[in-house]
Order: sequence, then structure tokens, then C-alpha cells
Amino acid sequence: EAQVTQNPRYLITVTGKKLTVTCSQNMNHEYMSWYRQDPGLGLRQIYYSMNVEVTDKGDVPEGYKVSRKEKRNFPLILESPSPNQTSLYFCASSLWHREAGTEAFFGQGTRLTVV
Amino acid sequence: LAKTTQPISMDSYEGQEVNITCSHNNIATNDYITWYQQFPSQGPRFIIQGYKTKVTNEVASLFIPADRKSSTLSLPRVSLSDTAVYYCLVVNRDDKIIFGKGTRLHILP
Repeated sequence: EAQVTQNPRYLITVTGKKLTVTCSQNMNHEYMSWYRQDPGLGLRQIYYSMNVEVTDKGDVPEGYKVSRKEKRNFPLILESPSPNQTSLYFCASSLWHREAGTEAFFGQGTRLTVV
Repeated sequence: LAKTTQPISMDSYEGQEVNITCSHNNIATNDYITWYQQFPSQGPRFIIQGYKTKVTNEVASLFIPADRKSSTLSLPRVSLSDTAVYYCLVVNRDDKIIFGKGTRLHILP
């Protein structure tokens, strides 16, 4: 089954304690990205990657890091989490079709609380 | 600068056809118009995508006029389960995929 898998689904952590949210896709997609969703603000892109070893900042990259060492994995790293990073996070992957555009597949989401 | 503009919210009744219009005045030649649906606490789900004229699938239709500066998502005979947030995006191969705030559609019985 084609899917994007994020782990963990829920996480409560303390300020300053490094954490990683994993994201894996089994569709051989080139494009992967991370979003955060906060009430009233919609989905905002944190980082995206167009292929292995290629990553770019989205609209809200501050306080986050990513890596793309393999095509299927795109972990999101919070080196020193702060309470304003409490949010619902989504990972997505997509394949670009030359004639048909693209369709993004999203993970189930990770609800992060930083206290 | 926002790429798309769509209504913040809409109400409709079960069984009606719902049309949500999105404005994208600065759409580029290689941009596609894409719509997603999102339920609370779930990731967005792709609905439909088009480049020009009309596209139809089993879920919705997408109408795009010749100038491509706007598009209309049409949901036929909506039900309560269509209550969700609907996002209109313009996307291309070499750019970020940016979501706006979407349109909150509320279907009433």
C-alpha cells in the first residue's frame, strides 16, 4: 500500500531536548516536505527536498533541520525545541508527472507538545 | 505574496452542488491548479488537478477559464461528510508547494 509514515504520532517533550520526527515513503517519490499546522494559520511549509541531498527552506524553517540521505526518508530535527514549536506536523511526498502535474501524499501527522 | 485567494468559509445543505472559487491572478505558464481536502487532525488529501478547461473525476469537477486567473471546484450533491477545509494551490515542478488557509466548508442537514 502506498503511504507516507510518520513517527511518533504524539510526542510531549521539554524545552531544549533534541528530538527527531521520522518520515518515510514507499512510493519512490523525489519530492518530500514538512509542514506545520496551527489553528487559524493553515499549513505552512517548513522545509522541502526535491531529491536526495537537496533540501530547501520553506516559509518557516527557523528552529528546524532536515536531511535527505536516502530517497525514502526525510526526518525533521528540532535541535532545541521551544514551546512555540508546539504544533501538528505533516510530512508529504509527491512525484512530478510531466504532463499531469503532481499529487502530494500526506502522513498521518505528529502532534508535538513542548513544555 | 499569497499565490491564491479563496473564501474563508462557506455553508451549504446536503444534496446541493457546491462551487468554491479560487483566484490566482499571478499564475505562471507552468503552474498547475490543484485542490486538496482536509478533515480535522488528518493530512490533506488530493482531490483534483488541472491545467486548463475542465477536469472531472469521481469526486469533483474543476473549471478553469481560458485566462487561468481563477478556478472553480465543484462538488456535486454534497453530504455531511464533505464538511472539511478545501485548499486551492498553484504548483509547478521547481517550486515550493504552498498551502493557504483554505475554505472551511460546512454542510448542513
